Amino acid sequence: DAGVIQSPRHEVTEMGQEVTLRCKPISGHDYLFWYRQTMMRGLELLIYFNNNVPIDDSGMPEDRFSAKMPNASFSTLKIQPSEPRDSAVYFCASSLWGPQETQYFGPGTRLLVL
Amino acid sequence: GQQLNQSPQSMFIQEGEDVSMNCTSSSIFNTWLWYKQDPGEGPVLLIALYKAGELTSNGRLTAQFGITRKDSFLNISASIPSDVGIYFCAGDSNYKLTFGKGTLLTVNP
Repeated sequence: DAGVIQSPRHEVTEMGQEVTLRCKPISGHDYLFWYRQTMMRGLELLIYFNNNVPIDDSGMPEDRFSAKMPNASFSTLKIQPSEPRDSAVYFCASSLWGPQETQYFGPGTRLLVL
Repeated sequence: GQQLNQSPQSMFIQEGEDVSMNCTSSSIFNTWLWYKQDPGEGPVLLIALYKAGELTSNGRLTAQFGITRKDSFLNISASIPSDVGIYFCAGDSNYKLTFGKGTLLTVNP
């Protein structure tokens, strides 16, 4: 199995631009998670899906952030418009049957907003 | 929101030494997990604990789920250079994981 796939691995953009991060979970996993990691705040859960349906989006910072999962093998996290404080590493993870069991993380997308 | 206090923030040890790190919380968690993150990679699960008082080993790693369900520790015995990385504790409550800030471990050969 290829594991969780994220793209791009690195993204540099200017303030105000739209950013789209992509994730392909492990095949057969029903749960997909988006996390953000910064030095100041550590690893934070933004949103998670079960069977393509958003279950908890209480961690999404504000309306500039949106996430979708149109099918079982693809999810996007979009930031529009982006701001410098959005600079972080964004991780996607998936698990077979729930948040409390093994979550398999992707390699992350390192985002820098200038 | 819930917070996990993880300590120490960083450790510098010699190869062969044992390591201990812990996590505490003011909230009760149903599950405690320990992850390791290598540079440029995502976290990888090391050990999962599902019952209060549970003690689980995985090779040189040992972790325990505190009786009060508000704490957990991770021990690494006979450290080796590849143990270098950031170790995170995570607690599950209401089907959502909360992560600690991590312990950065450096092992000198």
